[in-house]
Amino acid sequence: EAGVTQSPTHLIKTRGQQVTLRCSPISGHTSVYWYQQALGLGLQFLLWYDEGEERNRGNFPPRFSGRQFPNYSSELNVNALELEDSALYLCASSRTGTSGGPGLNEQFFGPGTRLTVL
Amino acid sequence: AQSVTQLGSHVSVSEGALVLLRCNYSSSVPPYLFWYVQYPNQGLQLLLKYTSAATLVKGINDFEAEFKKSETSFHLTKPSAHMSDAAEYFCAVSSTGFQKLVFGTGTRLLVSP
Repeated sequence: EAGVTQSPTHLIKTRGQQVTLRCSPISGHTSVYWYQQALGLGLQFLLWYDEGEERNRGNFPPRFSGRQFPNYSSELNVNALELEDSALYLCASSRTGTSGGPGLNEQFFGPGTRLTVL
Repeated sequence: AQSVTQLGSHVSVSEGALVLLRCNYSSSVPPYLFWYVQYPNQGLQLLLKYTSAATLVKGINDFEAEFKKSETSFHLTKPSAHMSDAAEYFCAVSSTGFQKLVFGTGTRLLVSP
């Protein structure tokens, strides 16, 4: 079974630019989660999509947005990039997220996309 | 609000020694607790999870953790460290109905020969 895949693996952008990160979940998983792992800040929850809808959002500004497609893959878009957006962006997927407790819906993580903003 | 505190950003042990990584949580509802490991340049891998069943949870690679409600702790242990255990370890908490994991800041485990 293929794991969660993310593309690209690395990305370099300049301040003010826009970036799109992509995530393909494990087959059969309908939920996709995005996390930011910035140096010194640990892992922070960004967004949760399930069945094509945004279900929950972390404490990030609106310039962080995303969507989930009918095939359950997902994109994370970041507009007006700032230096502090430099981080490893991790995507995770799980089976349906709206029923059962999270203990039943283990999140499987992809390898991440490392974004550097100059 | 939920939170997790991991004591010690770095822990150093010798190969064969006991590994103890500390995690304390704060939650207003019965928590689900997780330990993840992140090897260099890789994503996170689930080591073990507590879902209100047995308080002593066994995970992969001989890791285990014990849920202690009175101490609000979920420390991770391994009887004998291997060089391959060198990685960053994250404790996380979640609650029923919410899918976002709240992570601690991580503990980097260093294993010396």
